[in-house]
Amino acid sequence: GAGVSQTPSNKVTEKGKYVELRCDPISGHTALYWYRQSLGQGPEFLIYFQGTGAADDSGLPNDRFFAVRPEGSVSTLKIQRTERGDSAVYLCASSLFSTGDEQFFGPGTRLTVL
Amino acid sequence: DAKTTQPTSMDCAEGRAANLPCNHSTISGNEYVYWYRQIHSQGPQYIIHGLKNNETNEMASLIITEDRKSSTLILPHATLRDTAVYYCIVRVLGGAQKLVFGQGTRLTINP
Repeated sequence: GAGVSQTPSNKVTEKGKYVELRCDPISGHTALYWYRQSLGQGPEFLIYFQGTGAADDSGLPNDRFFAVRPEGSVSTLKIQRTERGDSAVYLCASSLFSTGDEQFFGPGTRLTVL
Repeated sequence: DAKTTQPTSMDCAEGRAANLPCNHSTISGNEYVYWYRQIHSQGPQYIIHGLKNNETNEMASLIITEDRKSSTLILPHATLRDTAVYYCIVRVLGGAQKLVFGQGTRLTINP
């Protein structure tokens, strides 16, 4: 079966631009997570959805970052007024439920802000 | 979540058992020990988790000490494809759902 997919795989943008990163979770998975990974570091939690609602957005660094999951499946991470410090790999994961199940990760989107 | 401490890097010969240690001395009674690994340019991959009993699956074995303050992930017959960063994470089952990753151990399997 298909795993978690993320598009685009690479995104290069200029400082100040707006970007959208997409995540397609495994079909039927109710929980969806976004993480960010800087070079040489472990992934850092951003936000977690249970169904359509954001159950925990404590990891979003500031109000330039926003994520949606309108139909409880696909999610989009949106970054406004990008800064060079936003450059990282953005990882998406999904799990069947939210009760501590194994999280399945996608390959990530590498964002480079010039 | 409780913090974990892992060695920064380890080497192991192909075909030998790789034993990756993790210290979690402040672990709470309801926290599980999870292991994930991340192969270069891929997302993390779940390996195994346990509470207090030793666990084994097709990928690895997890040995948790009786006081639960440390654990060891064992890859019984390491292959070159096991070269990756291995993360030990403690987490309450049913609690906060985020995974809190540390720096992990960079395991290199040598031919």
